[in-house]
Amino acid sequence: QVELVESGGGVVQPGRSLRLSCRASDFNFKTYGMHWVRQAPGQGLEWVANIWYDGNTQNYADSVKGRFSVSRDNSKNTLDLQMDSLRVDDTAVYYCVRATGYHFDIWGRGTLVIVSS
Amino acid sequence: EIVLTQSPGTLSLSPGERATLSCRASQSVGSTFLAWYQQKPGQAPRLLIYGTSSRAPGIPDRFSGSGSGTDFTLTITRLEPEDFAVYYCQRSGRSSWTFGQGTKVEIK
Repeated sequence: QVELVESGGGVVQPGRSLRLSCRASDFNFKTYGMHWVRQAPGQGLEWVANIWYDGNTQNYADSVKGRFSVSRDNSKNTLDLQMDSLRVDDTAVYYCVRATGYHFDIWGRGTLVIVSS
Repeated sequence: EIVLTQSPGTLSLSPGERATLSCRASQSVGSTFLAWYQQKPGQAPRLLIYGTSSRAPGIPDRFSGSGSGTDFTLTITRLEPEDFAVYYCQRSGRSSWTFGQGTKVEIK
């Protein structure tokens, strides 16, 4: 079945780095744009970053620009999010999301990142 | 940047009642670019409506979306117990994507 599975979350100190990964199954990954969306505890949804189907274009929310980097490997059906210079307010569940047209049709279950000293 | 404001913040209703959720944009949004999601506690969001009024596969017809320009609405005609959740509107742009802050539909 069509599925996205995130991994890599955990507890990290402020200023350190963490790399999230997302594995896609049962769809033609290389033809879809992919996004990361996060949700701080008890809060709403915040779009973080996206990457085009071919990996040639990335976009970032202002809150993470210059600190986060999104990449993909279409040969392995994987999406990554490199998070550097982490801050306490980056604490959230991070969702890997597939875009179809202009909406997000498939969501992973999320991986929790806690930034704390 | 376009800001989406959802109202009310919380809607207290009984099963069987009609729910009307509002999403107002700070600038005009093309109808193609407006979607709605449902999120239950401990779960990932689920796509309900895309392109303002098209239901996603498997979404019951008690859910409907409408609107244009800066004002969009999600309507649930008869609330079922499983519909009590948080609902988010979302706008897609060329290089940024925005969510409203959410409306919680709770059991009265």
